[in-house]
Amino acid sequence: EAQVTQNPRYLITVTGKKLTVTCSQNMNHEYMSWYRQDPGLGLRQIYYSMNVEVTDKGDVPEGYKVSRKEKRNFPLILESPSPNQTSLYFCASSRAGTGRETQYFGPGTRLLVL
Amino acid sequence: AQSVSQHNHHVILSEAASLELGCNYSYGGTVNLFWYVQYPGQHLQLLLKYFSGDPLVKGIKGFEAEFIKSKFSFNLRKPSVQWSDTAEYFCAVNANGNNRLAFGKGNQVVVIP
Repeated sequence: EAQVTQNPRYLITVTGKKLTVTCSQNMNHEYMSWYRQDPGLGLRQIYYSMNVEVTDKGDVPEGYKVSRKEKRNFPLILESPSPNQTSLYFCASSRAGTGRETQYFGPGTRLLVL
Repeated sequence: AQSVSQHNHHVILSEAASLELGCNYSYGGTVNLFWYVQYPGQHLQLLLKYFSGDPLVKGIKGFEAEFIKSKFSFNLRKPSVQWSDTAEYFCAVNANGNNRLAFGKGNQVVVIP
């Protein structure tokens, strides 16, 4: 089954404790992206990747890191989480192209930073 | 600044009522337009999309959207909603041809049985 998976689905942590949220897709997509969803703000893009070893900042990259060492994986790293990073995070993937491609979203990771 | 606007963030209506959600964007030039839906507790999934051709596009579950270039709008409609249409609806725009999407803030729609 074609899908985007994220782990963990729920996470409670404390300020400053490094964490990684994994994202994996089995559709051989070149493009992957991370969003955060906050009430009243919609989805905002954190980072995106056009292919292996090619990543770039989205609209709200501060406090986050990513890597793309393999085509299927695109982990999101919070080196020193803070309470303002409490949010719902979605990973998405699509074929690379002209912008007409459907993006496929993971189930989301709900993060609470105390 | 370039943006995607969705109005009436919270919409409450009864089953069988008609639904229309507005989406306006401020990008010039060629755009690719999308509506995504997020059912409670689920991930986002595509409802419909528009690139070119007939400005009235049909999607899944009886939804349709109309692209009006002169108004920079891409409004979503459904003639008769069901309780199962309770969800959050997001308009998204691609204006740079590199897969990046800009999302609106979403419309939370609640359908009362």
